[in-house]
Amino acid sequence: EAQVTQNPRYLITVTGKKLTVTCSQNMNHEYMSWYRQDPGLGLRQIYYSMNVEVTDKGDVPEGYKVSRKEKRNFPLILESPSPNQTSLYFCASSLRGPYEQYFGPGTRLTVT
Amino acid sequence: AQSVTQPDIHITVSEGASLELRCNYSYGATPYLFWYVQSPGQGLQLLLKYFSGDTLVQGIKGFEAEFKRSQSSFNLRKPSVHWSDAAEYFCAVGARGGSYIPTFGRGTSLIVHP
Repeated sequence: EAQVTQNPRYLITVTGKKLTVTCSQNMNHEYMSWYRQDPGLGLRQIYYSMNVEVTDKGDVPEGYKVSRKEKRNFPLILESPSPNQTSLYFCASSLRGPYEQYFGPGTRLTVT
Repeated sequence: AQSVTQPDIHITVSEGASLELRCNYSYGATPYLFWYVQSPGQGLQLLLKYFSGDTLVQGIKGFEAEFKRSQSSFNLRKPSVHWSDAAEYFCAVGARGGSYIPTFGRGTSLIVHP
């Protein structure tokens, strides 16, 4: 089954404790991206990767890092999480570019 | 810079009634346009897309949308709503040959009354 998987689905952590949210897709897609969803703000892109060689900032990259060492995986790293990063996070992928994107189920992160 | 406006935060319809969700965009040329649906506790699923050609596009689950260049709109429609259509709907814009950062609207929450 074609899908984007994220882990964990739920995470509660404390300020400053480094965490990684994993994202994997099995569709051989070139483009992958991370979004955060906050009430009343819709989805905002954090980072995207055109392919394993190109990664770039989205609209809200501050406080986040990403890594694209292989095509299928695109982890999101919060090296020192803060409460304002409490949000619902989505990973997405598409064949080429931010067009017909397939979304993962989401990771709900709470930072206390 | 591109932008997307979904004027309605909430829309309430009765089951069986018709539906229209509004989306207006701002972009210097004809953008790529999308509608996504997010059911409770789920990720987003693509309903339909417009790239070029026929301005009336058909999507999944009986939805359609019409691109109107003169009004900078891409409204989503369905002739008869089912209770299972209750969800959050997002309009999105993608730039052509430029930015790889799509812009999403803030979403419209659809409530369906029996």
